[in-house]
Formats: sequence, structure tokens, C-alpha cells
Amino acid sequence: KNQVEQSPQSLIILEGKNCTLQCNYTVSPFSNLRWYKQDTGRGPVSLTIMTFSENTKSNGRYTATLDADTKQSSLHITASQLSDSASYICVVSADTGRRALTFGSGTRLQVQP
Amino acid sequence: DTEVTQTPKHLVMGMTNKKSLKCEQHMGHRAMYWYKQKAKKPPELMFVYSYEKLSINESVPSRFSPECPNSSLLNLHLHALQPEDSALYLCASSQVRQDTGELFFGEGSRLTVL
Repeated sequence: KNQVEQSPQSLIILEGKNCTLQCNYTVSPFSNLRWYKQDTGRGPVSLTIMTFSENTKSNGRYTATLDADTKQSSLHITASQLSDSASYICVVSADTGRRALTFGSGTRLQVQP
Repeated sequence: DTEVTQTPKHLVMGMTNKKSLKCEQHMGHRAMYWYKQKAKKPPELMFVYSYEKLSINESVPSRFSPECPNSSLLNLHLHALQPEDSALYLCASSQVRQDTGELFFGEGSRLTVL
């Protein structure tokens, strides 16, 4: 069964600090992995997409990594801001010819002043 | 700002009411989706429309009835709902129904069933 596990479940950090969120998956055959940011009460917004051949990709202060061998991904947030407070959801796509997405449960990040 | 628009943002209904959620996108996407999201849980897929035809129904109860009048609009008709159906209902679209395409989500409709 395809699964995506994220850790930690929740995280509190001080403004300006860095943090790293983890995503482990067992989705097969792997197609791609996306990180979404979801503000409270709003729809998720895509931050990055990682395909099999990509190891690192940055989007501003967000840097995603992918290790396809160990089936792990991380999202690193640099110099956190109050607006980074949100849920971060890891979504893995299976290459099965239909839209087969597996969502992680998300990490709830709270950035405090 | 999201390019997928959902209305209403909030809806409160009784168990005997009939109501509808609406979703609209003008990005030329040919795949549209309904997701249900409970608090602190990830979104759960309900329906997928591809080229205005229902292609996936994830065993959703018949009290939820989707409709895709045209390529830009997606409705979710609600009838005889239960309190446990209270959730955030997210509409999403993608260029086509493919695994690599990015999903563009609306801001959601917060539904409360009394």
C-alpha cells in the first residue's frame, strides 16, 4: 500500500531560525514528489516538485531535497518568517497512468516572534 | 491569489437541506477535482472529472452528487448530509488528468452540517 509519512507532526520555531521537515514514502512506481504549503482555512499551494533525477531544488527560502534510493525528501526553510506558519504537505505521485496521489498528513509549523 | 474560485466560502446547512458548492477556473485546465479535508488531516480525493466526464469516484456516498456543466465549472450538490460530513471541501484543477501535473487548489468551502 502506498504511504507517505511526515515528521514532525508539529513544530514551533522562533522567527529567523531555520527548520527542516521530513517526508518518507513507499509509493511505487515513483513519478514525482511535491511539497505544498497550506495556510489555515485555505487551499494548498505548490512550493516545489521533485522528479526521480533531481536531488535538490530551491524556491526562495525553501529548499527541497530528494533521495530516491532511501525514498526520503526534506523541506528546509531558511530564516523563517511569521508568514511561514502553515501546514506543509508532502504529496507523492505514482506512475500508474491515472492520478494516483498519496498525501502525507502534513507538518504544522508555527513561527513565533 | 488562487486562480480556482470556490463559492460559498462558508456554508451552514441542516440535514434535510439541499445546497450546492461551486468551483470555477479559467486556466483552460481539463481536469477538475473535489477533495474533502477534515481538521488536521490531509485532503481526501472524492471525484475527478476529465474533459467534463466523471473519471474517478472514490466510493463517495450518493448524498454527494458532482456535476461538471462545462470545462470551467464544477459543482458539488449536497443533500441529506450528516454532521460528520462537516469539513473543508477543496476544488482543484490541473491541465489534464495526469500524475505529473500540478494541482491548483481553491481556497475551499467550509461546510458545517447541523
